[in-house]
Amino acid sequence: DTEVTQTPKHLVMGMTNKKSLKCEQHMGHRAMYWYKQKAKKPPELMFVYSYEKLSINESVPSRFSPECPNSSLLNLHLHALQPEDSALYLCASSQGQTTSYEQYFGPGTRLTVT
Amino acid sequence: AQKVTQAQTEISVVEKEDVTLDCVYETRDTTYYLFWYKQPPSGELVFLIRRNSFDEQNEISGRYSWNFQKSTSSFNFTITASQVVDSAVYFCALSEAGFAGAGNNRKLIWGLGTSLAVNP
Repeated sequence: DTEVTQTPKHLVMGMTNKKSLKCEQHMGHRAMYWYKQKAKKPPELMFVYSYEKLSINESVPSRFSPECPNSSLLNLHLHALQPEDSALYLCASSQGQTTSYEQYFGPGTRLTVT
Repeated sequence: AQKVTQAQTEISVVEKEDVTLDCVYETRDTTYYLFWYKQPPSGELVFLIRRNSFDEQNEISGRYSWNFQKSTSSFNFTITASQVVDSAVYFCALSEAGFAGAGNNRKLIWGLGTSLAVNP
């Protein structure tokens, strides 16, 4: 089963709100990723967790806060976002952080910041 | 520096036509991996294939086939007898071998994507 689930599918939030995006995988993968994707662009890597520890932070603003409660779950906490943060947020997982492994993506959360 | 070029921004074909999506890459490493992903309008990125740099065999999966040529640094993707359900954005991506860690550049390098529209 190569499934990564994400909730919610859509999210509209004001600039003063606090919300969280959730991601779950049951493939036994040890690496999990957050990407941001703007329309008509490729995904941009935000964070990588490996064995539940933050491994890569691609200089993401602190208003985005990732969390990996266990090996199957990945959260992205959002606070004081800006309208330019509106995008599709994709979660992915892979067997490990070695670059040979393909990544499996969830359906994404379409975020609109008003 | 690594780079992936998908020169075709948009392609429009009529159902049952064959279509080839081009992907040209640049890397200095001798060991690397190439990927194709499909992103339909729903948004989910679907993994299609991974090819490592030592395996130049072409691959066929149903109506999909891939032509990897190291001599021209290309990894092209052909859909035979296209169908409306093939309409999507297709991304080619490259990663150099190793552990993707903070401070190194080992991560997926994406092309800009080719938007394929298959019309009935």
